[in-house]
Amino acid sequence: ETGVTQSPTHLIKTRGQQVTLRCSSQSGHNTVSWYQQALGQGPQFIFQYYREEENGRGNFPPRFSGLQFPNYSSELNVNALELDDSALYLCASSLAYTGTGYGYTFGSGTRLTVV
Amino acid sequence: AQSVSQHNHHVILSEAASLELGCNYSYGGTVNLFWYVQYPGQHLQLLLKYFSGDPLVKGIKGFEAEFIKSKFSFNLRKPSVQWSDTAEYFCAVNGNDYKLSFGAGTTVTVRA
Repeated sequence: ETGVTQSPTHLIKTRGQQVTLRCSSQSGHNTVSWYQQALGQGPQFIFQYYREEENGRGNFPPRFSGLQFPNYSSELNVNALELDDSALYLCASSLAYTGTGYGYTFGSGTRLTVV
Repeated sequence: AQSVSQHNHHVILSEAASLELGCNYSYGGTVNLFWYVQYPGQHLQLLLKYFSGDPLVKGIKGFEAEFIKSKFSFNLRKPSVQWSDTAEYFCAVNGNDYKLSFGAGTTVTVRA
């Protein structure tokens, strides 16, 4: 059973640039969600994708967008990067719509630094 | 909106000591409750979860948690910690929706 893999592991970008983060979900999982974890804080929900459609979103601006592909892998795109976007970005996959009964499997994250 | 509060920001204790981490949540409906652990340099791992049934939940590595509905609490316990339990611990909640709401986390440092 493969876990959740994310790439890249670390990334440095300049303010105003755009970034794409990638996630391969655990085998058999059809739901992917993304979280932002700022230093010293708990992860904050960005959005979730189920069957290639966004079906839930947290309190993040539209410059945070995503995609889910037919193989259930996913991308997180952030446009017009700001310094406050510096954080660990976590991808989580689950089998069921809400993770109920199965829980969520998290990847190791992508550490994004905006300078 | 749901929210999660973890009582302690940093806990320092010696090996063999008992550990209890507090977690309270705010949500009006049925909740699912989780404790995750993040070891240094590693990904979040599920310690235990509660969906329904026995409010005392056993997890991995000797951890357990008790759901007390009247107190909106889901405290994590371990009778005797080891140095390898040094990590950050997160309580999380979801209701009948799709997102996990996390607490700010508690850093646990176990001294040998």
